[in-house]
Amino acid sequence: GAVVSQHPSRVICKSGTSVKIECRSLDFQATTMFWYRQFPKKSLMLMATSNEGSKATYEQGVEKDKFLINHASLTLSTLTVTSAHPEDSSFYICSAIRDSYNEQFFGPGTRLTVL
Amino acid sequence: DQQVKQNSPSLSVQEGRISILNCDYTNSMFDYFLWYKKYPAEGPTFLISISSIKDKNEDGRFTVFLNKSAKHLSLHIVPSQPGDSAVYFCAATSNSGYALNFGKGTSLLVTP
Repeated sequence: GAVVSQHPSRVICKSGTSVKIECRSLDFQATTMFWYRQFPKKSLMLMATSNEGSKATYEQGVEKDKFLINHASLTLSTLTVTSAHPEDSSFYICSAIRDSYNEQFFGPGTRLTVL
Repeated sequence: DQQVKQNSPSLSVQEGRISILNCDYTNSMFDYFLWYKKYPAEGPTFLISISSIKDKNEDGRFTVFLNKSAKHLSLHIVPSQPGDSAVYFCAATSNSGYALNFGKGTSLLVTP
């Protein structure tokens, strides 16, 4: 199957700093990528849809100025958590679509801990 | 508003027996359903899917059943193996978009 990578896999940062998470489709081009967030014992929550060459579409309740998404190329989308706070601590997962909506491949996730 | 619901947070099954994981949805626009398996600290792995034009899809030990009138689907694993122990997420999407709506997951434990 197709491979999607995320970097870093784990990050610990101080409150007030910004953290950038990269999502790459390694062996296919993805015009659309998604960013999800998982809270403990809760479902994966869609944060935003990232489209190559255009602005991301954010879900209701997600602050676009706090969670900056840049889909600069067909193989890379980045999520930057700006001015991170402890409540931003979570597991962030990206996914990429290859050909059709039933071919969505997930990255391994990034564990963010904000102290 | 949770459009995809998995009402059983956990399930324990003996090795060799059948595991049945259930999922309900509320949005009648959903026309494609997927099951993902997830281990702790990893991304979800696609398991099996079903289109709304079908009521059953089988792949090896995994079978998904869809009951559109009841807005209900289930994943059957038979025979269950200890390696199947993981959290299983049900997800749904509609033709108008790609984004997946996930349930909260069911943690399956298969005991030897």
